[in-house]
Amino acid sequence: AQKVTQAQTEISVVEKEDVTLDCVYETRDTTYYLFWYKQPPSGELVFLIRRNSFDEQNEISGRYSWNFQKSTSSFNFTITASQVVDSAVYFCALSAGPSDSNYQLIWGAGTKLIIKP
Amino acid sequence: EAGVAQSPRYKIIEKRQSVAFWCNPISGHATLYWYQQILGQGPKLLIQFQNNGVVDDSQLPKDRFSAERLKGVDSTLKIQPAKLEDSAVYLCASSLLGGYKNTEAFFGQGTRLTVV
Repeated sequence: AQKVTQAQTEISVVEKEDVTLDCVYETRDTTYYLFWYKQPPSGELVFLIRRNSFDEQNEISGRYSWNFQKSTSSFNFTITASQVVDSAVYFCALSAGPSDSNYQLIWGAGTKLIIKP
Repeated sequence: EAGVAQSPRYKIIEKRQSVAFWCNPISGHATLYWYQQILGQGPKLLIQFQNNGVVDDSQLPKDRFSAERLKGVDSTLKIQPAKLEDSAVYLCASSLLGGYKNTEAFFGQGTRLTVV
């Protein structure tokens, strides 16, 4: 069965602190994709990153970084020097399937991040 | 590049009434998705179209929900009759490709439905 677990329901930090959002996934497929999306109060889900299972190289984009570890089935997301505008709900998602013809995004429950000024 | 357009943004109806939502995906995107997001939860896929054909509607409550994507472009999602538990945000998304090696999906701002 495919599953994504985001154990942190809500995180609150003070601006400029670093914060890490955890994501643990389950799949039996050897080829799969992992995603992070941001959902600000406006409601629109904003794509942040996609990672395939064969690429374990960590990625950095500005203040955002992602740590993909297949050994622990984790794909954690770190925001460095957080800002109030980072306040949002963040979703981790998994895409996998038995064939190339179809897939479904399996979503975590989301982590609500609150950045206090 | 224009994003995914959805309308209306908000809708309040009484239970047993009907409601329809509209979505216009990003130009050229073959795959269109409708998701239901209940407050505090992740999105749940209702239906996925590839061009104008249905790829996955396994989680669509077909006794009351219907969706169509005529001409493989814009799409409508209808609920008839609505129940209280249908209160949620309905998100439309599109992606350039579908399938296993999918590209990322781009989402609209959603329609917030309240059933009273």
